[in-house]
Amino acid sequence: GAVVSQHPSWVICKSGTSVKIECRSLDFQATTMFWYRQFPKQSLMLMATSNEGSKATYEQGVEKDKFLINHASLTLSTLTVTSAHPEDSSFYICSATEPDRGNQPQHFGDGTRLSIL
Amino acid sequence: GQNIDQPTEMTATEGAIVQINCTYQTSGFNGLFWYQQHAGEAPTFLSYNVLDGLEEKGRFSSFLSRSKGYSYLLLKELQMKDSASYLCAALDSNYQLIWGAGTKLIIKP
Repeated sequence: GAVVSQHPSWVICKSGTSVKIECRSLDFQATTMFWYRQFPKQSLMLMATSNEGSKATYEQGVEKDKFLINHASLTLSTLTVTSAHPEDSSFYICSATEPDRGNQPQHFGDGTRLSIL
Repeated sequence: GQNIDQPTEMTATEGAIVQINCTYQTSGFNGLFWYQQHAGEAPTFLSYNVLDGLEEKGRFSSFLSRSKGYSYLLLKELQMKDSASYLCAALDSNYQLIWGAGTKLIIKP
């Protein structure tokens, strides 16, 4: 149980393009989803916490107008990297937690490797 | 401030035992997680401790001492596939996960 699907796995696109990444909880309803970014050989960096039906909470230093998060349903959150540039190239990973379980593990998607040319 | 410390890198031999330590300082505490992350992949959940003591799961065990702000992950009978980064993360009073930088474990034949 507790499977999280992330799509796409790989994206290669030109500078200036906007890229949308989807994160779905397949067998549970996720009231909260998390978006992380990870640069090579570095740890996970939390970008934002996405709550169903409300605005995402962004971490300090993360531009909310550049990284648009939509959590429109209990099973889907999307991250859109707008007008992407080479410095946005990174490994983006989403995770979700099962509802009503405060002390619970985050279940991760497989990640999206984004390369901006 | 909130902080997680774990070694950057460790090396061990196939078939041996290795212990990866983690110390934490958080605003409140609601448990500690260990995750495994292979290169180029997303993390996978290994263990969760909230009470003092040792939790054993097959070849992997995790220990917690709340009074010392200390945890360790013990890996026995090491296999080459155990080569990965191991992430320690503490849950604070607001149920926010505070992540360590990860320990890269290198297994040699």
